[in-house]
Amino acid sequence: EVQLVESGGGLVQPGESLRLSCIASGFTFTTFRMSWVRQAPGKGLEWVANIGPDGYGKHFADSVEGRFTISRDNTKNSVYLQMNGLRDEDTAVYYCARDGGAPQFDYWGQGALVTVSS
Amino acid sequence: EIVLTQSPVRLSLSPGERATLSCRASQSVGSQLAWYQQRPGQVPRLLIYDTSNRATGIPARFSGSGSGTDFTLTISSLEPEDFAVYYCQQRIDWPKTFGQGTKVEVK
Repeated sequence: EVQLVESGGGLVQPGESLRLSCIASGFTFTTFRMSWVRQAPGKGLEWVANIGPDGYGKHFADSVEGRFTISRDNTKNSVYLQMNGLRDEDTAVYYCARDGGAPQFDYWGQGALVTVSS
Repeated sequence: EIVLTQSPVRLSLSPGERATLSCRASQSVGSQLAWYQQRPGQVPRLLIYDTSNRATGIPARFSGSGSGTDFTLTISSLEPEDFAVYYCQQRIDWPKTFGQGTKVEVK
């Protein structure tokens, strides 16, 4: 059974940093791209970042480019989202999603809530 | 960036009725369009990928069609658990983008 479990969410002040983690199980992690997708309270879905199976081929949404980085540790079946310079508008539930190409986001984690507020 | 516009924003129907949801892209996405369902308080779930392919475990009452810039998700006969928000998403280009969603609500 495919499982994705996020952790690391919390309450931070504007300008601070936070690192989200996602541990994957139930599939061959090293053969899949992975993405982060977020959802602000009461809003729709926004793709944030994506990383290739080998840790290369990274892509970011314009809204987070230069502030967020994505990485992975294939020895730990984990993908990370380092978020720096957080803003109020980054407040959202952040989902880790498996990127199967076709289909793309076929499995999602339960999400990690990030709240940015002073 | 490819912008996806979904219509209508809200769709009020009764159980057993047919639902037709639309997604229009600002430029061609070929057939690389997916649909997701999000029930209240739940995680998004993949329904349809590459326009018309049902994801694993998705009932046959869900079907997708279209190509290029115009796509449709059809629910042939609404079940109580189908009242939810539906999003389309394109994978042909970066950044991957979602539509703003269509809420299917009980009339």
